Amino acid sequence: DIQMTQSPSSVSASVGDRVTITCRASQTISSWLAWYQQKPGEAPKLLIYGSFILQSGVPSRFSGSGSGTDFTLTISSLQPEDFATYYCQQANSFPITFGPGTRLEIK
Amino acid sequence: EVQLVESGGGLVQPGGSLTLSCAASGFTLSRYWMHWVRQDPEKGLVWVSRINYDGTNTNYADSVRGRFTISRDNAKNTLYLQMNSLRVEDTSVYYCGRDAAKVAAEDLDYMDLWGKGTTVTVSS
Repeated sequence: DIQMTQSPSSVSASVGDRVTITCRASQTISSWLAWYQQKPGEAPKLLIYGSFILQSGVPSRFSGSGSGTDFTLTISSLQPEDFATYYCQQANSFPITFGPGTRLEIK
Repeated sequence: EVQLVESGGGLVQPGGSLTLSCAASGFTLSRYWMHWVRQDPEKGLVWVSRINYDGTNTNYADSVRGRFTISRDNAKNTLYLQMNSLRVEDTSVYYCGRDAAKVAAEDLDYMDLWGKGTTVTVSS
C-alpha cells in the first residue's frame, strides 16, 4: 500500500496569513493526488484533484502543486472559514489511501 | 438538491451484520462510480470499497474483503454496503462518496460529493 504522510500535523495561523501544507507519498504517484478540507461534524470536501486542478466552486486562494512523491497545498490568504483539517489522498493505485491530516488552527 | 444521504448505521455485536444504504438525489447515479470511506479518530480516513456505474466491477480494501459487499440499485438511486462478520475495529463513521469523474462511467478515484455519514459501532 502507498503510505501518505503530511506535515505539519497541526499549524496555528492568523487570518490573512499564507499557509503551506506538505504531503508525501511512499512511492511515486505521478499527479494522482487530491486535497480535502474537513470541518468538525462534517464530511470531507474536495478542494483540489490531479495535484493542482481546483474543484468547481473552491476559492482561488487554494492552490496545489507537486508530482511524484512530494506535494503541497497552499492557502494564499487565510479566511476565517478556512480553519479546518486538511487531508491528502492518492488515487494512483489501490487501495486508495489518505494522509493523517493537518489541523489548521487560529492563532 | 444534489446530495447523498447514508442510513443504516447502529450498534451491533461482534460477528453481527449490518447493511448501510446511501440514497442519491439531484443527479443520475448510474453515470458514476461510487465509493465507501470510513473514518475514526485512530485510523483517520480509510477507503473501504468502490463500485462501477453498473455494478459489474468492485474493489475492496484488504481489511474488509470477504466480509463486506458493495452493491447498487440504479433504479432506486441507492448504493449499499452489506457488512458481515463485523469486528470491533470496524467501528467508524461510514461515508458514501461520488467519484469525481465528469465523463460518464469513467473513474478518477477522487470523491467530489459526500454524504454526512452514518455511525457504526461494533461492541458487545
